[in-house]
Amino acid sequence: NAGVTQTPKFRVLKTGQSMTLLCAQDMNHEYMYWYRQDPGMGLRLIHYSVGEGTTAKGEVPDGYNVSRLKKQNFLLGLESAAPSQTSVYFCASSPGTGIYSDTQYFGPGTRLTVL
Amino acid sequence: AQTVTQSQPEMSVQEAETVTLSCTYDTSESDYYLFWYKQPPSRQMILVIRQEAYKQQNATENRFSVNFQKAAKSFSLKISDSQLGDAAMYFCAYGDRDDKIIFGKGTRLHILP
Repeated sequence: NAGVTQTPKFRVLKTGQSMTLLCAQDMNHEYMYWYRQDPGMGLRLIHYSVGEGTTAKGEVPDGYNVSRLKKQNFLLGLESAAPSQTSVYFCASSPGTGIYSDTQYFGPGTRLTVL
Repeated sequence: AQTVTQSQPEMSVQEAETVTLSCTYDTSESDYYLFWYKQPPSRQMILVIRQEAYKQQNATENRFSVNFQKAAKSFSLKISDSQLGDAAMYFCAYGDRDDKIIFGKGTRLHILP
């Protein structure tokens, strides 16, 4: 049981390049999330998904797209990377079994640098 | 919109002593969850403790306990018998009805040997 895994762990991009971050969970969780963490800041929600085939915008969605084609995977895409997207990205999942919040389980993070 | 405020950017405590980290939040909801997460240098976010707003009893997990004051919208974390492994960034967080979590900016805790 690996929990939540993220690929890759580190990446350096040039401005304008595209890339996809992969998040995978093996806990059969319904909900999945993408956050970004910047220095001196807490985590901010980019996009989230409450089930396979569904996605929704979070607090800072601009410049990102997501897809949840399979329940266990949640992909975060950057179509045209900008230096402002330099950050550490965290994926999380939760069971989604209740009306209110469940515990979220976090991945180890991906450090992305955009030059 | 809900907000979470951690007013202490950094704190230090002597090993084996007790330390309290502060958190306040703002919401118009009556039912919600509150969390404390720990982020060690490995960067992974680890759940420390969770409090359900409708429960009056303060949550405890071994050396970690909270002081939940719903009327004051305060949610502090007490760490007893501090250990070197407790050194980390601690984030207070608020969970809403849609399972989204709003995080504070964090408090960096140093443990002095």
